Amino acid sequence: KQEVTQIPAALSVPEGENLVLNCSFTDSAIYNLQWFRQDPGKGLTSLLLIQSSQREQTSGRLNASLDKSSGRSTLYIAASQPGDSATYLCAVRYSGGGADGLTFGKGTHLIIQP
Amino acid sequence: DTEVTQTPKHLVMGMTNKKSLKCEQHMGHRAMYWYKQKAKKPPELMFVYSYEKLSINESVPSRFSPECPNSSLLNLHLHALQPEDSALYLCASSQELRGGEAFFGQGTRLTVV
Repeated sequence: KQEVTQIPAALSVPEGENLVLNCSFTDSAIYNLQWFRQDPGKGLTSLLLIQSSQREQTSGRLNASLDKSSGRSTLYIAASQPGDSATYLCAVRYSGGGADGLTFGKGTHLIIQP
Repeated sequence: DTEVTQTPKHLVMGMTNKKSLKCEQHMGHRAMYWYKQKAKKPPELMFVYSYEKLSINESVPSRFSPECPNSSLLNLHLHALQPEDSALYLCASSQELRGGEAFFGQGTRLTVV
């Protein structure tokens, strides 16, 4: 079964810290991996998309890496701010059969303390 | 414009009602999706449309009926729902079925009473 796992499930850190969120997936046959942010009761906001041929993507204070062979991705957030508090979801678009949509992890609930 | 628009934002319906959720995008994307998200759970894929044709039905109950009138619009028709169908329903689109960045709408919060 093609699954996505995110660690940790929850994280609380003081403002200003750098932090890393982890995502692992079970099958290296992927088209791409995407990181999203979700605020309570809201839709998903796309943060970064990494194609299967890429190793990393950067946007502002965010950097996402992809190691397809080991089935891992990390989202690095630099100089965290209270406004970064949200749930962060990792999603994989598998290419090896199965559903054609995104398979999501359960997310990391992030709280940045002022 | 990277916006996916969903209406209504909130919907309360009885178990005997018929209602529809609507989704619209003007990014020229040819793949559109419906996801269901229960509280504190990740989104789960319900339906996928590619070039206005239903690509996958993830064994969703027949009380949910998708429709793709054209490449910009996606509807989800609801009939005889159960209270356990209460959830956030999310629409998404991407350039193609197997690639490209996926963009999500803000969702419709559905409550079945």
